Amino acid sequence: RKEVEQDPGPFNVPEGATVAFNCTYSNSASQSFFWYRQDCRKEPKLLMSVYSSGNEDGRFTAQLNRASQYISLLIRDSKLSDSATYLCVVRRNAGNMLTFGGGTRLMVKP
Amino acid sequence: SQTIHQWPATLVQPVGSPLSLECTVEGTSNPNLYWYRQAAGRGLQLLFYSIGIDQISSEVPQNLSASRPQDRQFILSSKKLLLSDSGFYLCARQDLYGYTFGSGTRLTVV
Repeated sequence: RKEVEQDPGPFNVPEGATVAFNCTYSNSASQSFFWYRQDCRKEPKLLMSVYSSGNEDGRFTAQLNRASQYISLLIRDSKLSDSATYLCVVRRNAGNMLTFGGGTRLMVKP
Repeated sequence: SQTIHQWPATLVQPVGSPLSLECTVEGTSNPNLYWYRQAAGRGLQLLFYSIGIDQISSEVPQNLSASRPQDRQFILSSKKLLLSDSGFYLCARQDLYGYTFGSGTRLTVV
């Protein structure tokens, strides 16, 4: 079983739609969680950290469920520019290593 | 500034040829540095990480090696490239909220 699992997609949604991605992780001792965004042929960039209480940044909402070991990302009012691959990332409990999921591809259509 | 410089941006090399990819970082001294590879349509695979000069840990056995001759310099090398070495190579440094990535080198082995 992969340490971090994501549905690879693609998720094809119209502009203005709300879309949600889930991610599951296997190591119950994982401490920190993040969502990264990766545009085609570019490096990943931090989108947002995920806090236990859930957090929101504009149209983006991230939530963590430690009991079920999953993380979610909700995007409201999708824009064309949101088209990208979204990577779920988990920090191992030992050291500061990050483990990346395979990514979920989102395509927002006009 | 926590800038990361990677070069070259793209590289085409024949099978059996050597490889040297360089990554230099600016900002805080003694950063934790990482080399990742992303094969086409795949997730990020951690290859090496370094917590200091001449301190290298390998995550995956392969025909690649890494060196850190200076605090802000991290080099990925191979004596003889294989076709399977093709991919997008990313250098990253640890920062407060996860990792910052360089712009990557896209390597095609032919």
